[in-house]
Amino acid sequence: AQSVTQLDSQVPVFEEAPVELRCNYSSSVSVYLFWYVQYPNQGLQLLLKYLSGSTLVKGINGFEAEFNKSQTSFHLRKPSVHISDTAEYFCAVSEGLTGGGNKLTFGTGTQLKVEL
Amino acid sequence: ETGVTQTPRHLVMGMTNKKSLKCEQHLGHNAMYWYKQSAKKPLELMFVYNFKEQTENNSVPSRFSPECPNSSHLFLHLHTLQPEDSALYLCASSQTAGTGDYEQYFGPGTRLTVT
Repeated sequence: AQSVTQLDSQVPVFEEAPVELRCNYSSSVSVYLFWYVQYPNQGLQLLLKYLSGSTLVKGINGFEAEFNKSQTSFHLRKPSVHISDTAEYFCAVSEGLTGGGNKLTFGTGTQLKVEL
Repeated sequence: ETGVTQTPRHLVMGMTNKKSLKCEQHLGHNAMYWYKQSAKKPLELMFVYNFKEQTENNSVPSRFSPECPNSSHLFLHLHTLQPEDSALYLCASSQTAGTGDYEQYFGPGTRLTVT
């Protein structure tokens, strides 16, 4: 079975400071990893994904993540955050379903709060 | 309309009511999903449909009854709900290769309150 652990439930950070949101996963099959962001009263929006190839993945809004197979991690980083980055961030691992589609297993989320 | 839409955005219902949630995707996808998002819990996958056929039921109570009449529409029929069913219900869609590498696109959700 697949699982995702997000070690921090809340991360406060000052504007223009760097931030790292941690994610560790467990998977017995090919690893496909995703980071989603959820702004208040909205659905989830894809930030970035790792499928294969380069372990450093760049996404939208200046975010990037590094896939580390030996440490089973997929941490999300941004070198300089903005107030508008305040949101909840979800890490997820994906597996294909025999009948079609795929199953996303999510972590519990990390609330990023950017302060002035 | 673009992306994935959900109606209504908010719903308050009594435990004896019957209501339905609607989801529509405008992305040409063939797989559709229902998720439940409760406070302090991970998002839970409820149902998966692929080309209108249900391929996953994650041990969801029978008071939740999904319906997928075509690849663009997904419904969740609700009856005799419990207060613990209060949550944000999210719909998503994706390509359907079954290999796990396709991202899912989410709607804005329906905030359900059971009184």
